[in-house]
Amino acid sequence: DVKVTQSSRYLVKRTGEKVFLECVQDMDHENMFWYRQDPGLGLRLIYFSYDVKMKEKGDIPEGYSVSREKKERFSLILESASTNQTSMYLCASSFGGNQPQHFGDGTRLSIL
Amino acid sequence: RKEVEQDPGPFNVPEGATVAFNCTYSNSASQSFFWYRQDCRKEPKLLMSVYSSGNEDGRFTAQLNRASQYISLLIRDSKLSDSATYLCVVNRGGSYIPTFGRGTSLIVHP
Repeated sequence: DVKVTQSSRYLVKRTGEKVFLECVQDMDHENMFWYRQDPGLGLRLIYFSYDVKMKEKGDIPEGYSVSREKKERFSLILESASTNQTSMYLCASSFGGNQPQHFGDGTRLSIL
Repeated sequence: RKEVEQDPGPFNVPEGATVAFNCTYSNSASQSFFWYRQDCRKEPKLLMSVYSSGNEDGRFTAQLNRASQYISLLIRDSKLSDSATYLCVVNRGGSYIPTFGRGTSLIVHP
């Protein structure tokens, strides 16, 4: 079974802090994704990566950056956290072009 | 027109009922289609892929209608445990970037 592991289930941070969310997958997937999910808005793509050191902006990249130094790990960085970044963050990975994604458990992030 | 549209519901059905959801997509070049299930406060989990010829997995049947640009999910003999939000996913035509619908809520009651 594919395992996608996110570093924290719940996280509380303060406005202005730099926040790191980590995601690791164990299936040698090429593609990795970061989403946020908010009530009524569904899943929105923040960034994705299709290879090591490669990244592409999704639909809502503002205020975020990512890092993919190793194939199995994809990090999401909130450069200066703000209260409107309070959300559920979901990491996903997939094998390639038309393959389905597999999700981590999610991180519920609260910015105070 | 939104890229992927679903009726948010909720669909409220008794145990044992048959229920069907549709999902329309706007990009005719889309190539891969999936249904996911998401329980409250949990991550989405793959329910099934959707193939051109239609496919079945137990009580679940998925269909693709390319001419009318929609996919469907049929659930037979609904169980209480089927209560969840069902997300349809369509890849953006020609790319590997999936687009999620906002989901359809299903409530199965005794």
